Amino acid sequence: EPEVTQTPSHQVTQMGQEVILRCVPISNHLYFYWYRQILGQKVEFLVSFYNNEISEKSEIFDDQFSVERPDGSNFTLKIRSTKLEDSAMYFCASMSEGANTEAFFGQGTRLTVV
Amino acid sequence: SQKIEQNSEALNIQEGKTATLTCNYTNYSPAYLQWYRQDPGRGPVFLLLIRENEKEKRKERLKVTFDTTLKQSLFHITASQPADSATYLCALDKGYSTLTFGKGTMLLVSP
Repeated sequence: EPEVTQTPSHQVTQMGQEVILRCVPISNHLYFYWYRQILGQKVEFLVSFYNNEISEKSEIFDDQFSVERPDGSNFTLKIRSTKLEDSAMYFCASMSEGANTEAFFGQGTRLTVV
Repeated sequence: SQKIEQNSEALNIQEGKTATLTCNYTNYSPAYLQWYRQDPGRGPVFLLLIRENEKEKRKERLKVTFDTTLKQSLFHITASQPADSATYLCALDKGYSTLTFGKGTMLLVSP
């Protein structure tokens, strides 16, 4: 069964460092997303990406964040200068057609900023 | 402001009983509502989607209702099993494909 894969599963980084979280969405999907979940809290939308550009972003997705689809298969989330409060599980998701379809989530990357 | 509430943080039931989870929302007009299952340390897994013009949707032991007048969805698991123990997330989709999640209800099914 096709699945969304994320690497690494766990990333520890020092405050102020840049991190790149990687995702390989399901191959024929067109819509890509990043969500995050701080421990004990709800899953929060960060950004959606369609047709090689950002289609929507939340207020969490500030100038420290960027996304890229560099090679047609990978989808990355970069945090330029990490803060302690960026510690969370980051989930990548993809959808085949956008609205009215299910989202397929990866297993997540646990980011710990120390 | 927009708000999604799921009825309780935790729900304990006995195996074989029906679990009913509630999702209420305010200041939203969702086109679709989705339910996901999340196990500890894992990503959400899609269960069911219901459209605003649908009253009820079923899939095996799962049933979802959607009342846009009450702004509420109910999620039922019949003949519950210990393997159903997980956190269940309600998510609203305004039609632009981004999902807004509730905090979830942790279901524990005891043998």
